[in-house]
Amino acid sequence: NAGVTQTPKFRILKIGQSMTLQCAQDMNHNYMYWYRQDPGMGLKLIYYSVGAGITDKGEVPNGYNVSRSTTEDFPLRLELAAPSQTSVYFCASSYAQGGGIEAFFGQGTRLTVV
Amino acid sequence: QKEVEQDPGPLSVPEGAIVSLNCTYSNSAFQYFMWYRQYSRKGPELLMYTYSSGNKEDGRFTAQVDKSSKYISLFIRDSQPSDSATYLCAMRAEKLVFGKGTKLTVNP
Repeated sequence: NAGVTQTPKFRILKIGQSMTLQCAQDMNHNYMYWYRQDPGMGLKLIYYSVGAGITDKGEVPNGYNVSRSTTEDFPLRLELAAPSQTSVYFCASSYAQGGGIEAFFGQGTRLTVV
Repeated sequence: QKEVEQDPGPLSVPEGAIVSLNCTYSNSAFQYFMWYRQYSRKGPELLMYTYSSGNKEDGRFTAQVDKSSKYISLFIRDSQPSDSATYLCAMRAEKLVFGKGTKLTVNP
């Protein structure tokens, strides 16, 4: 049982490049989330999903896209990377309400856009 | 108005002090109220949670929720240097929303 696995752990992108941050969970959680964390700014919700095939925008979705074709995977796509997207990205998963409240987080992906 | 407001601190206290951390919120739909602890360069981990209003105690930690005031608190008694971390409040209806986090340092 690996929990939530994020890849890569570190990445440097040039402005205008694109990439996909991978997130996989093996706990059969139906809720999955993507957050970004900037210094002193807490966790800002980018996108979330309540189940396979269902995604919704969070607080800061611009410049990102997601898909949820399976329960296990929730990749985050960055198109046309910009320096403002330099951040630490966390993926998390949890059960629906009543099934266990804890959200489990991955180790994070440190992204630098230069 | 942000959905969740948390004073980012930082907060520095001597060992043994009582620590009080607080958040306010605006969304009445929130039903689950949580406190996560995050050590440097790690992902957050759940410390405590409360469903709806009331208090919950776990060892040296006490979580309080006042839904009428839209205010939640975390108290740490007999604080230890190992409690030094960033504490994030979080609230959930459908989506899970976090406060900015308060960086706490407990000095020996």
